[in-house]
Amino acid sequence: DTGVSQDPRHKITKRGQNVTFRCDPISEHNRLYWYRQTLGQGPEFLTYFQNEAQLEKSRLLSDRFSAERPKGSFSTLEIQRTEQGDSAMYLCASSAGTPIAAQYNEQFFGPGTRLTVL
Amino acid sequence: GQQVMQIPQYQHVQEGEDFTTYCNSSTTLSNIQWYKQRPGGHPVFLIQLVKSGEVKKQKRLTFQFGEAKKNSSLHITATQTTDVGTYFCAGPRGGAQKLVFGQGTRLTINP
Repeated sequence: DTGVSQDPRHKITKRGQNVTFRCDPISEHNRLYWYRQTLGQGPEFLTYFQNEAQLEKSRLLSDRFSAERPKGSFSTLEIQRTEQGDSAMYLCASSAGTPIAAQYNEQFFGPGTRLTVL
Repeated sequence: GQQVMQIPQYQHVQEGEDFTTYCNSSTTLSNIQWYKQRPGGHPVFLIQLVKSGEVKKQKRLTFQFGEAKKNSSLHITATQTTDVGTYFCAGPRGGAQKLVFGQGTRLTINP
């Protein structure tokens, strides 16, 4: 399977605990995105990497959230001191990227990690 | 900031009926993308529209991009049960590569 993979698929944790999610993008894709989706809503952008560089972070990403993509391949998203409001589906997506601004490559989404904070 | 609104939020149809969802952006978009998310699944890319007034068809699905590049629509002719899911439009925000998604239109179908 050469699609985007995410691990774990489900995570239940207690409030105040730290959690880390992993995303493996499609191997030739240099762009990687994290989104958060709550029930009945569209995905909300969290952060974006071009290769190993984190180029943008949403204001939704408080200081309890950190993301890395150390070698420009897989990425991790860590949430420290989880709160009940962090409960959501965390989606990772990747795209090939292009230097032509108007040609916006489609994003391929992984299956997501569903986080439940008790 | 840029907002993308979709209507309706829900649509229930009888199998065989047509379905349309509308997407409106508060700002001009360089392009718009449409995604489908099946129940319990993840968003899957359907199409991208780039040109003003562009119309693209995929079998029973017709996508339009408005002349002002601020609105778009997806029309499904003669719905089938396989069309069930939530349809999202999404536009790029600013010069960044992030997508701003609408809240989606959830389509359910009575067989």
